[in-house]
Amino acid sequence: GQNIDQPTEMTATEGAIVQINCTYQTSGFNGLFWYQQHAGEAPTFLSYNVLDGLEEKGRFSSFLSRSKGYSYLLLKELQMKDSASYLCAVRDRNAGNMLTFGGGTRLMVKP
Amino acid sequence: GAGVSQSPSNKVTEKGKDVELRCDPISGHTALYWYRQSLGQGLEFLIYFQGNSAPDKSGLPSDRFSAERTGGSVSTLTIQRTQQEDSAVYLCASSLSGDIQYFGAGTRLSVL
Repeated sequence: GQNIDQPTEMTATEGAIVQINCTYQTSGFNGLFWYQQHAGEAPTFLSYNVLDGLEEKGRFSSFLSRSKGYSYLLLKELQMKDSASYLCAVRDRNAGNMLTFGGGTRLMVKP
Repeated sequence: GAGVSQSPSNKVTEKGKDVELRCDPISGHTALYWYRQSLGQGLEFLIYFQGNSAPDKSGLPSDRFSAERTGGSVSTLTIQRTQQEDSAVYLCASSLSGDIQYFGAGTRLSVL
């Protein structure tokens, strides 16, 4: 089985930086994905890490450490529209390369 | 179409009735997934289709749930004899052979 843990809720201020952590345990790690989901909408793909290190994409960056079973999503220059849930998902080659999702982190950005 | 399309967007049904939820994946995507998301929760995997292979049904919560994919494209998720605990948003996603998954907007099912 797999365990994926991420905080349930976070609050941050507009213009600031926030880091959302995700830890996982899996037998056949084959990639970690971050999705953004606004209330009542479909999850949308943000980033993908399969090797250790930082992947930067505009205001969003994602980091992975396979040895520690750890990833984080970094959001810079926060905007009100960034208020959403952020879902961490792990792909496991020993589970048919299926994605297992964490419970999501609900981020509230305040003025 | 350009994205994953699901219908209906909302479905209200009475306990004990059967419901069918439809998913039109992105054209050319060989993999199709169904998930369930309860209020404020993460995504729970239900079933996975990959090309012409037998589907992975390991996530289906009971034998009241079934799904099929016709012609390698459109998929239908059927829930028989619905129960109140089936109330959730049912999300469909498609991908190119297990790569990045692209999600539809979901069907919000309410069982009264």
